[in-house]
Amino acid sequence: GENVEQHPSTLSVQEGDSAVIKCTYSDSASNYFPWYKQELGKGPQLIIDIRSNVGEKKDQRIAVTLNKTAKHFSLHITETQPEDSAVYFCAASIGLTGGGNKLTFGTGTQLKVEL
Amino acid sequence: KAGVTQTPRYLIKTRGQQVTLSCSPISGHRSVSWYQQTPGQGLQFLFEYFSETQRNKGNFPGRFSGRQFSNSRSEMNVSTLELGDSALYLCASSLGGGYTFGSGTRLTVV
Repeated sequence: GENVEQHPSTLSVQEGDSAVIKCTYSDSASNYFPWYKQELGKGPQLIIDIRSNVGEKKDQRIAVTLNKTAKHFSLHITETQPEDSAVYFCAASIGLTGGGNKLTFGTGTQLKVEL
Repeated sequence: KAGVTQTPRYLIKTRGQQVTLSCSPISGHRSVSWYQQTPGQGLQFLFEYFSETQRNKGNFPGRFSGRQFSNSRSEMNVSTLELGDSALYLCASSLGGGYTFGSGTRLTVV
């Protein structure tokens, strides 16, 4: 089955700096790659996603890049703010024979933005 | 627009008991998926329901089951609870694109 590796497990940056989180996936059939932010006591919140026919997508301070050949994708957060502090999860999704999709998640990155 | 609603938020059960968790998806979303989140195993897929039918299933024992109603609301049941079932159970709904998660039900088995 699909396996998603995520690095680093913890990341500490100064406010205003950029943060980069990287993920690799194993199944070349995966075609959808969302990123989620999870704050304490809450469920994961979708922050950005990318499909396999696109190499890069940007939404304000957040961007995601996808390299299908190398099977890796990355989350870039620029001008970090204290409210960006949370756990971030990458995921890969593959269409299943019964229809629908199954998300396989990375192990998460605890991002801390320090003042 | 209301998000995904999960009830209850917290639950404490004793080993051997059974539990039912509820999920109301975003209006119009017909796909409902369930995930288990633990510190050791992370986020793991349990199953997905679509139009009242289980469409996909993860690698969990038969003690974990679910169902979906005609209004797309879903329930998840765990029978014969074990200590290792303590986790945050998350429900996500989809219209065919991205998945929106609820805040989860924190289950503690003692």
